[in-house]
Formats: sequence, C-alpha cells, structure tokens
Amino acid sequence: AQTVTQSQPEMSVQEAETVTLSCTYDTSESDYYLFWYKQPPSRQMILVIRQEAYKQQNATENRFSVNFQKAAKSFSLKISDSQLGDAAMYFCAYSPYNAGNNRKLIWGLGTSLAVNP
Amino acid sequence: EAQVTQNPRYLITVTGKKLTVTCSQNMNHEYMSWYRQDPGLGLRQIYYSMNVEVTDKGDVPEGYKVSRKEKRNFPLILESPSPNQTSLYFCASSSRGSGANVLTFGAGSRLTVL
Repeated sequence: AQTVTQSQPEMSVQEAETVTLSCTYDTSESDYYLFWYKQPPSRQMILVIRQEAYKQQNATENRFSVNFQKAAKSFSLKISDSQLGDAAMYFCAYSPYNAGNNRKLIWGLGTSLAVNP
Repeated sequence: EAQVTQNPRYLITVTGKKLTVTCSQNMNHEYMSWYRQDPGLGLRQIYYSMNVEVTDKGDVPEGYKVSRKEKRNFPLILESPSPNQTSLYFCASSSRGSGANVLTFGAGSRLTVL
C-alpha cells in the first residue's frame, strides 16, 4: 500500500528566509502524481504545487519549488523569500497515475510552518 | 468563480440526530469525493462518485451515506451521528480531464457531535 510520510511535524522560518519541508513516500508504481497542499488557519485546502513522476524537471510555482528524487522516493518543498502569509499546515499527497474511478489522494500528516517576523 | 461550496461550515448536533452536509460545485466536474480530517490521522476518504448515480466507498464509509442525483451536488448524510464522527469534513471535485488528478476542495465543515 502506498504511504506518505512527513517527518517534520513543526518547522519555523524567519520572514524572507528559505525553508524546506520534507516528504517521502512509498509506492511500487512507476507513474504517479505528487502534490503539496497548504492549509492556512481558514482551513481551506489550497494546491501549492504538483509534480508528475514521469517528468524529470522539478516543478516550480513562483516562490515554491520542489526537489523530486524519484529513486529515493523523496519530494521536498522549498519556500523561498518566506512571507507571513505562508504560515500554515503543509500536506504532501500522492495519487497513482491510473487511479481508475477513484482519484483518491494519500496524505501525509502535515508539517506546521510558522513564519517569524 | 469556480468553486466547491459546502454547508454548513460549522455545526453542533447531538447523537442520533440526522444531518446532511451539502456540497455543490460549479465546474461541471464528473468526480466528487468526501474526506474527513482528524488530528494524527490526516485526511481519509469517506465516499467518492465518478458521475451521476455512481458512488462508491472510500476508506472510512461506516456511518455515512451519499447520493449523486445531480452532477453538481454530492451531499454527505449522517443518519445517526455519533461522537466519533466529530471531525472536519471536506468535499472535493475534479474533472475527468484533469490529468494530474487535481482536486478542488471546499472550505470545510466543522462538525461536533455531542
């Protein structure tokens, strides 16, 4: 069974600094998707970035980028120039490529990120 | 604005009193699903639906029912709520053409069962 592990329950970063959140996963599939979602205090689940496993190039979205290491089954999120609005719970999630009728995401337990002014 | 709308956002109820959490999406998505989020357990899928009149169980379906009579709506029904169903609930939807299985989430519904 696929699993997603986030080993850092809590992290903090100074405003304008860079922080990296870790995620590892376990799967026997060769094609799949990986996601980072952000959950701010409002509780809304917001997609930050996604990565297709068949793409070697790491995904980037403005200040957010990933380091995707397929062989190591690692998918870390780097936040550059951290802002106060980045403070949130961050979830790593996995989805198989051929999900069939169920597009279920498998979730890590999250990393709570604090941004210090 | 493309969105998934859940209601109510907050609800306190008592054991055994039937309740329904509504979910509606305006993106013409075929796929819809329900998750519950609990501390230490993360998000777990309750039910999902691939299209109208097609629903199936997720990982934790006990105590819940769903229906999909219209493409846009996917209500979650708790026939006889119990305290262990106190949780934060999310509805999500996705287009069949969304190759990356990207889900759009509602804002969440905080349910407390006394």
